[in-house]
Amino acid sequence: AQSVTQPDIHITVSEGASLELRCNYSYGATPYLFWYVQSPGQGLQLLLKYFSGDTLVQGIKGFEAEFKRSQSSFNLRKPSVHWSDAAEYFCAVGSYNQGGKLIFGQGTELSVKP
Amino acid sequence: EAGVTQFPSHSVIEKGQTVTLRCDPISGHDNLYWYRRVMGKEIKFLLHFVKESKQDESGMPNNRFLAERTGGTYSTLKVQPAELEDSGVYFCASSQGPTGVETQYFGPGTRLLVL
Repeated sequence: AQSVTQPDIHITVSEGASLELRCNYSYGATPYLFWYVQSPGQGLQLLLKYFSGDTLVQGIKGFEAEFKRSQSSFNLRKPSVHWSDAAEYFCAVGSYNQGGKLIFGQGTELSVKP
Repeated sequence: EAGVTQFPSHSVIEKGQTVTLRCDPISGHDNLYWYRRVMGKEIKFLLHFVKESKQDESGMPNNRFLAERTGGTYSTLKVQPAELEDSGVYFCASSQGPTGVETQYFGPGTRLLVL
């Protein structure tokens, strides 16, 4: 079955510390992978996406993610977290033959300590 | 350019009542999606419109849910009659291209509470 797993429901990091949010997927077709962020009262905003090519992708707000096919993972990283990064983060997978239907993980809520 | 908008932002209704959610996609976006997040669970796909046609409605929970997109512009999602398990956040998203893997732009969601 197609699924996305975000093992960490809630993570707390100190401001200025590095961040890694985990995402593992199970998907039969060639996956397209996405990370979205939702701040309170806002819609989901796309941080970055991977379709093909370089497995290290850069996104907005200083985020990056690395696609590792052998590990079925697409972890999100940021070298130095800012207080404004506190939000909920969603990993999602889709494919060309699914017409855009996205399968989401459960989300990881990030808290940032001053 | 205006983003995806949804109305209402919140709705509290009693079991058995009817609720209609509206989504206005980004102008020119042919693809419109509905998703739902039940509390504590993942965001789940409900259905996909291409213009006014339902491309994929495999995620619709049951026949109490009716989605329409008249004229290929805004879309409505009606729940009739609402049940307790319908509570959650309903998201709408739109995208431009035909392949379906272009960036989906999400609205802020409608928070539905069925009492």
